[in-house]
Amino acid sequence: TQLLEQSPQFLSIQEGENLTVYCNSSSVFSSLQWYRQEPGEGPVLLVTVVTGGEVKKLKRLTFQFGDARKDSSLHITAAQPGDTGLYLCAGAAIRGSQGNLIFGKGTKLSVKP
Amino acid sequence: ETGVTQTPRHLVMGMTNKKSLKCEQHLGHNAMYWYKQSAKKPLELMFVYSLEERVENNSVPSRFSPECPNSSHLFLHLHTLQPEDSALYLCASSWGLAGGGETQYFGPGTRLLVL
Repeated sequence: TQLLEQSPQFLSIQEGENLTVYCNSSSVFSSLQWYRQEPGEGPVLLVTVVTGGEVKKLKRLTFQFGDARKDSSLHITAAQPGDTGLYLCAGAAIRGSQGNLIFGKGTKLSVKP
Repeated sequence: ETGVTQTPRHLVMGMTNKKSLKCEQHLGHNAMYWYKQSAKKPLELMFVYSLEERVENNSVPSRFSPECPNSSHLFLHLHTLQPEDSALYLCASSWGLAGGGETQYFGPGTRLLVL
């Protein structure tokens, strides 16, 4: 069974701090996606990484896909209260069901003003 | 802005009730999904439809019954549910199937409480 382990599960920080969220697996993925989910809403896609070693930046968010395509990280610089939410990573298996993304349990981030 | 809507947003039902969840996507996508989101668990894929044909059913109990009358609408019919079925039920859609790395667009979810 493929699993994606996210860490930490919970993170509470002050505005202006930096943080990193990790997504790890023993399986190789063809691509990996990061979503943010706010209370009362569904997840919204932030980024998709496809190539091993790829780094993508989205304003203060930096996403990295591991060289072996088994892990990924999300780094937020100078966090703001608007970054508060549940961050989910999801991997597309190389050999697996075409309909299935494997999701991590998520990291719940709280940024206090 | 999400083009996927779900109704109702909140639902409380007894174990003997029958209810239905509705999802509608306005994005012209070909694939639609039902997910279950419970506390402390990863998102669980329940059903996948592609071009109105079911392509995946991840060992979901028969008390959950999906219906996809056309590519824009997806229903989840519920009957004789258990308290452990209480969760957030999310609908999503995508152009192609998500396992190929396609972007999924999620609705806001239906918060279900089974008493």
